Amino acid sequence: QVQLQESGPGLVKPSGTLSLTCIVSGGSISRTNWWSWVRQTPEKELEWIGEISHSGTTNYNPSLKSRVTISVDKSKNQFSLRLSSVTAADTALYYCARVIPSVAVGHIDLWGRGTLVTVSS
Amino acid sequence: QSVLTQPPSVSGAPGQRVTISCTGSSSNIGAGYDVHWYQHLPGTAPKLLIYGNTNRPSGVPDRFSGSKSGTSASLAITGLQVEDEADYFCQSYDSSLFVVLFGGGTKLTVL
Repeated sequence: QVQLQESGPGLVKPSGTLSLTCIVSGGSISRTNWWSWVRQTPEKELEWIGEISHSGTTNYNPSLKSRVTISVDKSKNQFSLRLSSVTAADTALYYCARVIPSVAVGHIDLWGRGTLVTVSS
Repeated sequence: QSVLTQPPSVSGAPGQRVTISCTGSSSNIGAGYDVHWYQHLPGTAPKLLIYGNTNRPSGVPDRFSGSKSGTSASLAITGLQVEDEADYFCQSYDSSLFVVLFGGGTKLTVL
C-alpha cells in the first residue's frame, strides 16, 4: 500500500529557506493524483500550502504564493516543498498528502505522519 | 480565525450521538463546494472520514455520517466509542479567497 514519508531539517534559521521532501513508497507518483503540503500550526490550525499534479501543474495558497515552490521528481518518486524567507510564524508540523482530484474540491485520502519544523536562530 | 467555523469542543458518553458543525459562507460551502471530514489523533497521520459531503471511504464505520445544507455541513457520530476521542476537521474550498480551507478543528471528548 502507498505510504508517504516527510523528510528534511527540523530547524531552520529565520530568513532562511525551509526544504522538505515527501517520499512516495508502494505506488507511483505518476498516477492521476495531486500531491499536497499542509501544515498544522502550534495553535492546531490546519493550513493548506499548495499542491502539484504528476505533470507539474501547481496551485498555491495565495497567502504563501510568493514564498512557496512545490516540485515533483518522478524519477525518485517524490515531491518537495521549498518555503523561503521563513519567520517564526512558519513553525509548524508539516504534512505531505495525496489528493484525489474532484470538480468540486479534491479530498486527501492519504497523509504522511508529519514532520516538525521550527524556525529559530 | 478560520473561515470555516467549528465548535472548539464537543463531548458525549459512550453509546451516545454527537454532531460537529462546520459553518461557512456563500463563497465556500454555500457555493456548492464539497466538504470533507478528517479525524486526527495527535502524533498520527490524519484520517479521511467523509468525502464529498456524505461519502464514507471503505473501512470507515457507518457510525460516521456527513451532511450538508446551505452554508453548513455536519459530521454525526453515533454509538460513541472511547477510541473516537480525537480532533475532527472539515475541509472545503473558497472561491473568493482561491484557497483550500480547513475548519479550526473540534476536539471530541468521550466521557
